[in-house]
Amino acid sequence: GEDVEQSLFLSVREGDSSVINCTYTDSSSTYLYWYKQEPGAGLQLLTYIFSNMDMKQDQRLTVLLNKKDKHLSLRIADTQTGDSAIYFCAEGFSGGYNKLIFGAGTRLAVHP
Amino acid sequence: DTGVSQDPRHKITKRGQNVTFRCDPISEHNRLYWYRQTLGQGPEFLTYFQNEAQLEKSRLLSDRFSAERPKGSFSTLEIQRTEQGDSAMYLCASSPSVGINEQFFGPGTRLTVL
Repeated sequence: GEDVEQSLFLSVREGDSSVINCTYTDSSSTYLYWYKQEPGAGLQLLTYIFSNMDMKQDQRLTVLLNKKDKHLSLRIADTQTGDSAIYFCAEGFSGGYNKLIFGAGTRLAVHP
Repeated sequence: DTGVSQDPRHKITKRGQNVTFRCDPISEHNRLYWYRQTLGQGPEFLTYFQNEAQLEKSRLLSDRFSAERPKGSFSTLEIQRTEQGDSAMYLCASSPSVGINEQFFGPGTRLTVL
């Protein structure tokens, strides 16, 4: 079956690192994505990782993938107030199966 | 063309009425998707077009819902005989047919059924 789960809320102090976790059930996914949603704005792709990779770093963002445990995480270094948003992980598939399966989202609150 | 656009941004309707939403994808993208997002949830897939062909539909898409993409450019999503449970944000996304299937999302149409 297709299911993606995330913790719902994370609060961090400005300047600290944030780690948002995600678990998924379908091991046939080709890509795993992190999207960001700010109030009144559309979903924005932050980063992605190919399913045969373990880690990807992109400036302040680090994605870790444990395919055995079907666990994905997003680490944001030096978290800023502008990072406050809802973060969604999503599974994507190749071979004509093009929909994305999203988690419920993690609301990140950054406080001074 | 700076992104995916959707119209209207907000729609309030009475139960039983029909509504139609429009999505204009990024012009060079031949893939188009509709998702529905309710409060506190992630987007749920509704349907997918490759050019003008509707290739996949979710079982969430009841027979009251119909989507079209007649010329392979813009798309419409119609909901007939709306119900209060249809209240949600309806999101459109587009992607090119090559690459990592990065889907670019529009701002959504918020539907409220009274």
